[in-house]
Amino acid sequence: AQSVTQLDSQVPVFEEAPVELRCNYSSSVSVYLFWYVQYPNQGLQLLLKYLSGSTLVKGINGFEAEFNKSQTSFHLRKPSVHISDTAEYFCAVSGGSNYKLTFGKGTLLTVNP
Amino acid sequence: DAGVIQSPRHEVTEMGQEVTLRCKPISGHDYLFWYRQTMMRGLELLIYFNNNVPIDDSGMPEDRFSAKMPNASFSTLKIQPSEPRDSAVYFCASSPGQGGFSNQPQHFGDGTRLSIL
Repeated sequence: AQSVTQLDSQVPVFEEAPVELRCNYSSSVSVYLFWYVQYPNQGLQLLLKYLSGSTLVKGINGFEAEFNKSQTSFHLRKPSVHISDTAEYFCAVSGGSNYKLTFGKGTLLTVNP
Repeated sequence: DAGVIQSPRHEVTEMGQEVTLRCKPISGHDYLFWYRQTMMRGLELLIYFNNNVPIDDSGMPEDRFSAKMPNASFSTLKIQPSEPRDSAVYFCASSPGQGGFSNQPQHFGDGTRLSIL
């Protein structure tokens, strides 16, 4: 079985500050990891994914995430956030031939001026 | 390139009525997923299809829920009879299959916001 824990339900930051959204997972098989973003009244959009290879993954809108197998983490980072980054962010895991995506509960990022 | 299309975007109906949600996946995608999102439970997978065949419906809450995929370009999720606790946002997503492994991202529609009065 797989599970995802997003450690912070809400993260308020000021514009141009750095941000880290934390994600830990558990799985009995090799995993594929994803971060999605959801803007108000919209569906989820893929930010980035880790499948294999380099543990540092770069995504859209200046976001990046680092896969840490020993700590079973996949934290999302951005060095300088904008007001437009205000949204809910979801970490998700799938594994092997199981097409189910297991989502975390989400982290609401609020960027204040 | 058109994304996943869901209709309607909003649905308000009275308890006991039948509700039908519709989804058109991205052309060429082999997998289709139905999710429900609520504040209390977050995102829950209800059912998914591969090549129009239901693979896992263990997330369907009860017999009042049913889903079909009559062809590769259309799926429905039906609730009959509806209850207030079914109020949620329902998302459809699709994904290409590749080598039988789950490394392809899912593409989501904008959802149907369902309110049962």
